[in-house]
Amino acid sequence: DTGVSQDPRHKITKRGQNVTFRCDPISEHNRLYWYRQTLGQGPEFLTYFQNEAQLEKSRLLSDRFSAERPKGSFSTLEIQRTEQGDSAMYLCASSLLRGGPTDTQYFGPGTRLTVL
Amino acid sequence: SQQGEEDPQALSIQEGENATMNCSYKTSINNLQWYRQNSGRGLVHLILIRSNEREKHSGRLRVTLDTSKKSSSLLITASRAADTASYFCATDLKAAGNKLTFGGGTRVLVKP
Repeated sequence: DTGVSQDPRHKITKRGQNVTFRCDPISEHNRLYWYRQTLGQGPEFLTYFQNEAQLEKSRLLSDRFSAERPKGSFSTLEIQRTEQGDSAMYLCASSLLRGGPTDTQYFGPGTRLTVL
Repeated sequence: SQQGEEDPQALSIQEGENATMNCSYKTSINNLQWYRQNSGRGLVHLILIRSNEREKHSGRLRVTLDTSKKSSSLLITASRAADTASYFCATDLKAAGNKLTFGGGTRVLVKP
């Protein structure tokens, strides 16, 4: 499968624990995005990378959240000291920036986080 | 706050009927994209329409874009039970580094 993959698909954790999610983008895609989606809502942007550089972070991304893309390939999203409000689906998407203004973003299956 | 707003929030139709949903947005865009999401799953890209395009087709899908009214519509013709899903519009803002801003979605139920 050459699509975007995410691991794990489901994560249940207790409040206060740290969790880390991984995203593997489509090979050669230079842009990688993280979104969060709560039940019944559309996804909301968290952050994005172009190659290994993190270019933008949403105000939604508190200091408990950190994302990395160390070699410009896969990315990790870590949440420290999880809270019940962090329960959501975390979606990763990738795209190929060709120098123009328009890129189709392809989404992975998401990681569903439940904080007890 | 979300840039796009879909209308209606929910839609129930019989198999074979057409389904139309609308999306409105607030600021200038590079493009507008429609995605489908089955319950609890990831988003599947359906179609992208650029700001200088007015209509686009893909199979049973027809998308229109009216930049003067800041609105778009998605038409699914001859619907099937497998089209049951949530549909989201997402705008790629000119000033926003190609990040997508999603609406709240339209939940479509196609009854067999």
